[in-house]
Amino acid sequence: DAKTTQPPSMDCAEGRAANLPCNHSTISGNEYVYWYRQIHSQGPQYIIHGLKNNETNEMASLIITEDRKSSTLILPHATLRDTAVYYCIVRSKAAGNKLTFGGGTRVLVKP
Amino acid sequence: EPEVTQTPSHQVTQMGQEVILRCVPISNHLYFYWYRQILGQKVEFLVSFYNNEISEKSEIFDDQFSVERPDGSNFTLKIRSTKLEDSAMYFCASSERDIYNEQFFGPGTRLTVL
Repeated sequence: DAKTTQPPSMDCAEGRAANLPCNHSTISGNEYVYWYRQIHSQGPQYIIHGLKNNETNEMASLIITEDRKSSTLILPHATLRDTAVYYCIVRSKAAGNKLTFGGGTRVLVKP
Repeated sequence: EPEVTQTPSHQVTQMGQEVILRCVPISNHLYFYWYRQILGQKVEFLVSFYNNEISEKSEIFDDQFSVERPDGSNFTLKIRSTKLEDSAMYFCASSERDIYNEQFFGPGTRLTVL
């Protein structure tokens, strides 16, 4: 799987949009970008995934650049409950079903 | 909303003892996984299971570990002879399909080996 790079931490204000960047410059054409989060030692929680088009669901939006070398997860209106570690994961079929977690970005939502 | 459940939430055991961690995946899911997270470290893949056999395992998943689906609902992880370094959170996950399908994680079992 392609390696991903995320900032180790970031703060955001409650009620504002949180924009979480992820670099995956070695991504190949058949690799998807997945985002999970982990709230304080709970099990990781799936957020969203995409291949090349922007995606939106009830939790977040995923913006993937045209060259697919980076992406941004957007939490449109961050709440205190969004404080968590956010993981950007690139998956390919060749790598099998496993998820390979990196260090993620520790997001602290402040009132 | 259906969810993955795990029991117990916390297990304390003595080094060398056997432990069995239990998981109930989401009912219509066909793919099952175990991950672990040592305190302060990354979440690590252990094993994936499909159609009553292991489909993939990591280097961590050595002969001390085994998995089983003893009935139609439970999925278990057994550690035969626990070591101090097995102390970790163990997460079970399941997915409806394989590649490119989201995995749903349980709340975890905290294993403490003394």
